[in-house]
Amino acid sequence: GAVVSQHPSWVICKSGTSVKIECRSLDFQATTMFWYRQFPKQSLMLMATSNEGSKATYEQGVEKDKFLINHASLTLSTLTVTSAHPEDSSFYICSARDPGQGGNEQYFGPGTRLTVT
Amino acid sequence: QKEVEQNSGPLSVPEGAIASLNCTYSDRGSQSFFWYRQYSGKSPELIMSIYSNGDKEDGRFTAQLNKASQYVSLLIRDSQPSDSATYLCAVKYTNAGKSTFGDGTTLTVKP
Repeated sequence: GAVVSQHPSWVICKSGTSVKIECRSLDFQATTMFWYRQFPKQSLMLMATSNEGSKATYEQGVEKDKFLINHASLTLSTLTVTSAHPEDSSFYICSARDPGQGGNEQYFGPGTRLTVT
Repeated sequence: QKEVEQNSGPLSVPEGAIASLNCTYSDRGSQSFFWYRQYSGKSPELIMSIYSNGDKEDGRFTAQLNKASQYVSLLIRDSQPSDSATYLCAVKYTNAGKSTFGDGTTLTVKP
Protein backbone atom coordinates (compact mmCIF):
# COMPACT_ATOMS: atom_id res chain seq x y z
CA GLY A 1 0.00 0.00 0.00
CA ALA A 2 0.84 3.65 -0.26
CA VAL A 3 3.03 5.26 2.39
CA VAL A 4 2.14 8.34 4.39
CA SER A 5 4.51 9.87 6.89
CA GLN A 6 3.98 12.35 9.70
CA HIS A 7 6.37 14.52 11.60
CA PRO A 8 6.87 14.82 14.48
CA SER A 9 5.66 11.53 15.94
CA TRP A 10 5.22 13.18 19.29
CA VAL A 11 5.52 16.69 20.66
CA ILE A 12 5.20 18.38 24.03
CA CYS A 13 4.52 22.09 24.08
CA LYS A 14 3.55 24.74 26.57
CA SER A 15 0.09 26.21 26.74
CA GLY A 16 -0.28 29.19 24.44
CA THR A 17 2.30 28.12 21.90
CA SER A 18 1.69 26.83 18.38
CA VAL A 19 2.62 23.46 16.96
CA LYS A 20 2.96 22.45 13.31
CA ILE A 21 2.45 18.86 12.18
CA GLU A 22 3.53 17.73 8.72
CA CYS A 23 1.91 15.00 6.65
CA ARG A 24 3.61 13.68 3.52
CA SER A 25 2.62 11.16 0.90
CA LEU A 26 5.90 9.44 0.05
CA ASP A 27 5.16 7.42 -3.07
CA PHE A 28 2.12 9.05 -4.59
CA GLN A 29 0.62 12.47 -5.18
CA ALA A 30 -2.29 13.21 -2.94
CA THR A 31 -4.74 15.84 -4.08
CA THR A 32 -6.78 15.22 -0.97
CA MET A 33 -5.62 14.66 2.58
CA PHE A 34 -7.66 14.33 5.73
CA TRP A 35 -6.87 15.33 9.31
CA TYR A 36 -8.29 13.35 12.22
CA ARG A 37 -8.10 13.62 15.97
CA GLN A 38 -8.51 10.73 18.37
CA PHE A 39 -8.78 10.91 22.14
CA PRO A 40 -7.85 7.84 24.21
CA LYS A 41 -10.29 4.96 23.75
CA GLN A 42 -12.50 7.08 21.51
CA SER A 43 -13.30 6.91 17.83
CA LEU A 44 -11.64 8.82 15.03
CA MET A 45 -12.97 12.30 14.55
CA LEU A 46 -12.53 13.95 11.16
CA MET A 47 -11.38 17.52 11.61
CA ALA A 48 -10.98 18.71 8.04
CA THR A 49 -10.44 17.76 4.43
CA SER A 50 -7.40 19.33 2.84
CA ASN A 51 -7.34 19.89 -0.93
CA GLU A 52 -4.16 20.85 -2.73
CA GLY A 53 -4.18 24.47 -3.78
CA SER A 54 -7.45 25.39 -2.11
CA LYS A 55 -8.88 26.09 1.30
CA ALA A 56 -9.53 23.22 3.64
CA THR A 57 -13.06 22.12 4.41
CA TYR A 58 -13.62 21.93 8.15
CA GLU A 59 -16.10 19.70 9.91
CA GLN A 60 -18.79 21.24 12.04
CA GLY A 61 -17.50 22.34 15.40
CA VAL A 62 -13.83 22.51 14.38
CA GLU A 63 -12.35 25.99 14.70
CA LYS A 64 -10.62 26.85 11.46
CA ASP A 65 -8.71 29.73 13.05
CA LYS A 66 -7.31 27.44 15.68
CA PHE A 67 -6.45 24.50 13.45
CA LEU A 68 -4.74 25.95 10.40
CA ILE A 69 -4.37 23.61 7.45
CA ASN A 70 -2.15 24.23 4.44
CA HIS A 71 -1.91 21.84 1.49
CA ALA A 72 0.70 23.62 -0.55
CA SER A 73 1.86 20.72 -2.69
CA LEU A 74 0.65 17.34 -3.88
CA THR A 75 2.75 15.57 -1.28
CA LEU A 76 2.56 17.81 1.77
CA SER A 77 -0.18 19.03 4.07
CA THR A 78 0.41 20.76 7.39
CA LEU A 79 -1.76 21.22 10.45
CA THR A 80 -0.89 24.02 12.84
CA VAL A 81 -2.49 24.02 16.25
CA THR A 82 -2.43 27.66 17.30
CA SER A 83 -2.44 28.84 20.90
CA ALA A 84 -2.57 25.26 22.11
CA HIS A 85 -4.26 24.42 25.40
CA PRO A 86 -4.21 21.23 27.48
CA GLU A 87 -7.58 20.19 26.03
CA ASP A 88 -5.93 20.08 22.60
CA SER A 89 -3.75 17.20 23.80
CA SER A 90 -4.66 14.31 21.54
CA PHE A 91 -3.50 11.92 18.83
CA TYR A 92 -3.56 13.71 15.47
CA ILE A 93 -3.58 11.50 12.41
CA CYS A 94 -3.47 12.45 8.76
CA SER A 95 -4.70 10.35 5.88
CA ALA A 96 -4.18 10.66 2.15
CA ARG A 97 -6.26 9.43 -0.74
CA ASP A 98 -4.23 7.62 -3.38
CA PRO A 99 -5.65 8.48 -6.82
CA GLY A 100 -3.68 5.62 -8.30
CA GLN A 101 -5.89 3.14 -6.46
CA GLY A 102 -9.02 4.35 -8.21
CA GLY A 103 -9.09 7.26 -5.83
CA ASN A 104 -10.96 5.29 -3.23
CA GLU A 105 -8.49 4.06 -0.73
CA GLN A 106 -7.19 6.18 2.14
CA TYR A 107 -3.90 5.50 3.83
CA PHE A 108 -3.07 6.80 7.28
CA GLY A 109 0.11 8.30 8.59
CA PRO A 110 1.54 6.99 11.87
CA GLY A 111 0.05 9.86 13.86
CA THR A 112 1.39 12.64 16.07
CA ARG A 113 0.82 12.56 19.78
CA LEU A 114 0.48 16.10 21.10
CA THR A 115 0.75 16.90 24.79
CA VAL A 116 0.12 20.47 25.90
CA THR A 117 1.34 21.30 29.40
CA GLN B 1 -28.88 6.92 14.22
CA LYS B 2 -25.21 6.86 13.29
CA GLU B 3 -24.29 6.64 9.64
CA VAL B 4 -22.00 3.67 10.23
CA GLU B 5 -22.68 1.34 13.12
CA GLN B 6 -20.54 -1.36 14.62
CA ASN B 7 -20.84 -3.41 17.78
CA SER B 8 -18.31 -1.92 20.16
CA GLY B 9 -17.49 -5.27 21.66
CA PRO B 10 -15.30 -6.39 23.09
CA LEU B 11 -15.45 -9.49 20.97
CA SER B 12 -13.41 -12.33 22.37
CA VAL B 13 -12.54 -15.48 20.43
CA PRO B 14 -10.09 -18.30 21.11
CA GLU B 15 -6.99 -18.68 19.00
CA GLY B 16 -7.71 -20.54 15.78
CA ALA B 17 -11.40 -19.61 15.71
CA ILE B 18 -13.22 -17.46 13.18
CA ALA B 19 -13.85 -13.87 14.25
CA SER B 20 -16.86 -12.19 12.67
CA LEU B 21 -17.10 -8.41 12.68
CA ASN B 22 -20.21 -6.63 11.47
CA CYS B 23 -21.03 -3.18 10.18
CA THR B 24 -24.23 -1.55 8.96
CA TYR B 25 -24.56 1.76 7.16
CA SER B 26 -27.45 4.11 6.59
CA ASP B 27 -26.75 5.68 3.17
CA ARG B 28 -28.09 3.30 0.55
CA GLY B 29 -26.08 5.07 -2.16
CA SER B 30 -22.72 4.25 -0.58
CA GLN B 31 -20.23 2.86 -3.08
CA SER B 32 -17.03 1.89 -1.29
CA PHE B 33 -16.41 -0.04 1.89
CA PHE B 34 -13.25 -0.53 3.89
CA TRP B 35 -11.96 -2.32 6.93
CA TYR B 36 -9.11 -0.88 8.96
CA ARG B 37 -7.21 -2.42 11.85
CA GLN B 38 -5.99 -0.19 14.64
CA TYR B 39 -3.65 -1.44 17.32
CA SER B 40 -3.70 0.37 20.63
CA GLY B 41 -1.73 3.60 20.40
CA LYS B 42 -1.23 3.29 16.65
CA SER B 43 -2.93 4.72 13.58
CA PRO B 44 -5.40 2.74 11.45
CA GLU B 45 -4.09 0.38 8.77
CA LEU B 46 -6.14 -0.50 5.70
CA ILE B 47 -6.66 -4.26 5.48
CA MET B 48 -9.57 -4.74 3.08
CA SER B 49 -11.62 -2.81 0.56
CA ILE B 50 -14.76 -4.05 -1.18
CA TYR B 51 -16.95 -2.40 -3.79
CA SER B 52 -19.28 -5.10 -5.14
CA ASN B 53 -21.81 -7.38 -3.52
CA GLY B 54 -20.43 -10.72 -2.45
CA ASP B 55 -17.24 -11.93 -0.86
CA LYS B 56 -13.68 -10.79 -1.27
CA GLU B 57 -10.89 -12.88 0.19
CA ASP B 58 -7.34 -11.87 1.05
CA GLY B 59 -5.39 -14.43 3.02
CA ARG B 60 -7.15 -15.09 6.31
CA PHE B 61 -9.49 -12.12 5.78
CA THR B 62 -12.82 -12.20 3.95
CA ALA B 63 -14.96 -9.13 3.46
CA GLN B 64 -18.63 -9.62 2.68
CA LEU B 65 -20.89 -6.94 1.24
CA ASN B 66 -24.66 -6.93 0.92
CA LYS B 67 -25.83 -3.58 -0.40
CA ALA B 68 -29.49 -4.53 -0.28
CA SER B 69 -29.22 -5.11 3.45
CA GLN B 70 -26.71 -2.26 3.87
CA TYR B 71 -24.37 -4.60 5.63
CA VAL B 72 -20.66 -5.30 5.40
CA SER B 73 -18.73 -7.80 7.46
CA LEU B 74 -15.19 -8.98 8.01
CA LEU B 75 -14.31 -12.58 8.78
CA ILE B 76 -10.92 -13.47 10.19
CA ARG B 77 -10.11 -17.16 9.89
CA ASP B 78 -7.61 -18.94 12.13
CA SER B 79 -7.54 -15.95 14.47
CA GLN B 80 -4.20 -15.20 16.08
CA PRO B 81 -3.40 -13.21 19.23
CA SER B 82 -1.72 -10.69 16.91
CA ASP B 83 -5.16 -10.00 15.42
CA SER B 84 -6.21 -8.45 18.73
CA ALA B 85 -7.00 -4.85 17.82
CA THR B 86 -9.86 -2.48 17.10
CA TYR B 87 -11.40 -2.93 13.67
CA LEU B 88 -12.90 0.10 11.99
CA CYS B 89 -15.49 -0.05 9.25
CA ALA B 90 -15.47 2.87 6.78
CA VAL B 91 -17.94 3.78 4.07
CA LYS B 92 -17.65 6.23 1.18
CA TYR B 93 -20.48 7.65 -0.88
CA THR B 94 -18.32 8.80 -3.77
CA ASN B 95 -14.74 8.20 -4.90
CA ALA B 96 -13.66 11.74 -4.13
CA GLY B 97 -15.56 12.04 -0.90
CA LYS B 98 -14.59 11.48 2.67
CA SER B 99 -14.93 8.19 4.45
CA THR B 100 -17.36 7.85 7.32
CA PHE B 101 -15.98 5.65 10.07
CA GLY B 102 -17.75 3.51 12.59
CA ASP B 103 -16.64 3.64 16.21
CA GLY B 104 -14.87 0.31 15.87
CA THR B 105 -15.12 -3.18 17.34
CA THR B 106 -12.45 -4.33 19.76
CA LEU B 107 -11.34 -7.89 19.12
CA THR B 108 -9.40 -9.98 21.60
CA VAL B 109 -7.97 -13.33 20.51
CA LYS B 110 -7.10 -15.46 23.50
CA PRO B 111 -4.23 -17.96 23.27
